[in-house]
Amino acid sequence: AQSVTQLDSQVPVFEEAPVELRCNYSSSVSVYLFWYVQYPNQGLQLLLKYLSGSTLVKGINGFEAEFNKSQTSFHLRKPSVHISDTAEYFCAVSPTGSARQLTFGSGTQLTVLP
Amino acid sequence: DSGVTQTPKHLITATGQRVTLRCSPRSGDLSVYWYQQSLDQGLQFLIQYYNGEERAKGNILERFSAQQFPDLHSELNLSSLELGDSALYFCASSQKNTGELFFGEGSRLTVL
Repeated sequence: AQSVTQLDSQVPVFEEAPVELRCNYSSSVSVYLFWYVQYPNQGLQLLLKYLSGSTLVKGINGFEAEFNKSQTSFHLRKPSVHISDTAEYFCAVSPTGSARQLTFGSGTQLTVLP
Repeated sequence: DSGVTQTPKHLITATGQRVTLRCSPRSGDLSVYWYQQSLDQGLQFLIQYYNGEERAKGNILERFSAQQFPDLHSELNLSSLELGDSALYFCASSQKNTGELFFGEGSRLTVL
């Protein structure tokens, strides 16, 4: 089984400041890693994913994340946030074997302040 | 637009009733997943279908059932509804075996 811990439930930051949203996972098998974003009253949208290869992955809207296997972490970063980045962000894992369902973290509400 | 369509978007019903939520996956996607999002439980995986067959089960109650039809659309049936079933129900689809899911906008169920 897998579990995902998002260490911060709420992260307020000022516009144009950098941000890091933290994610740690636990799994007895190899996993794929994902970040999804949910804007108000919308479904989840994939930001980025780590399947294999380079541990630094770049996603949409200027976000990037780094997979750290030794620390079982997959933190999400953006060097300069915009008001439009205000949303809830979910970290998720999926085993690389036959099962494909995602296990989600509890989410981090990012609020960008003017 | 993810290409995944869910209906209805909103549904209000009473305790004890039964409802059906419908999902049309992206064109060509064979897998359909159902998730429940509530304030206290977060995002919970309910069930997965692949090409008409049940593939995996998560935290789905016995009062809930689902199926995937030959045209690949899926329905989630919720019966004997309780107040605690009020939640946002998401459908997602995927084609590749990478866990990358594409989500619909959800069906918000309110049980009064």
